[in-house]
Amino acid sequence: QSALTQPASVSGSPGQSITISCTGTSSDVGGYNFVSWYQQHPGKAPKLMIYDVSNRPSGISNRFSGSKSGNTASLTISGLQAEDEADYYCSSYTTRSTPGVVFGGGTKVTVL
Amino acid sequence: QLQLQESGPGLVKPSETLSLTCTVSGGSISRSSYYWGWIRQPPGKGLEWIGSMYYSGTTFYNPSLKSRLTISVDTSKNQFSLKLSSVTAADTAVYYCARQHYNWNPEINWFDPWGQGTLVTVSS
Repeated sequence: QSALTQPASVSGSPGQSITISCTGTSSDVGGYNFVSWYQQHPGKAPKLMIYDVSNRPSGISNRFSGSKSGNTASLTISGLQAEDEADYYCSSYTTRSTPGVVFGGGTKVTVL
Repeated sequence: QLQLQESGPGLVKPSETLSLTCTVSGGSISRSSYYWGWIRQPPGKGLEWIGSMYYSGTTFYNPSLKSRLTISVDTSKNQFSLKLSSVTAADTAVYYCARQHYNWNPEINWFDPWGQGTLVTVSS
């Protein structure tokens, strides 16, 4: 199953807002509201940041928000902070071939 | 608080079978609200879903790995396991286990929480 498409890198200055896109097809991102986002710091396990397109788990800052339009989902980080520098992955339920899960290739967020 | 811990050999020879176990603590693997999944990450690369399993035995596998993959569960030990046969250097990765939420149908969904991961190297 082909990965969802994410930009390789996104950068911003402290306090700014950035948006990471995640493009799929009508068999995954566009067809279901089952998109999730994960943050991964070097050497650490991924951490759930957003589920079902726009829901935040308990304990996740409201600076993180998710949305979707057509086959593209987005993660926005507002009020960018140094600790937000990490890799971010989107994921979606997919029925492209068999039912399953597909991840994006990952986006490196750099805080300038 | 639910915790997951991967365990298994850190080094596997090419053509052999990679075997890992995920031990779940702080909750029952038999709880009907969740699937249990495996995800891997080659060094310096992105995440790849391997497969997911319900405690009753229903499984979903990544099509690219399906012919070599078996995921099983041992409810008596509160563990689930991964076996990947005929490994090559391309299977070298950090392997994570995680609890997986699902919607009715079922539509397997997000992973939370994750284990800390274990590095498996395929080399002679």
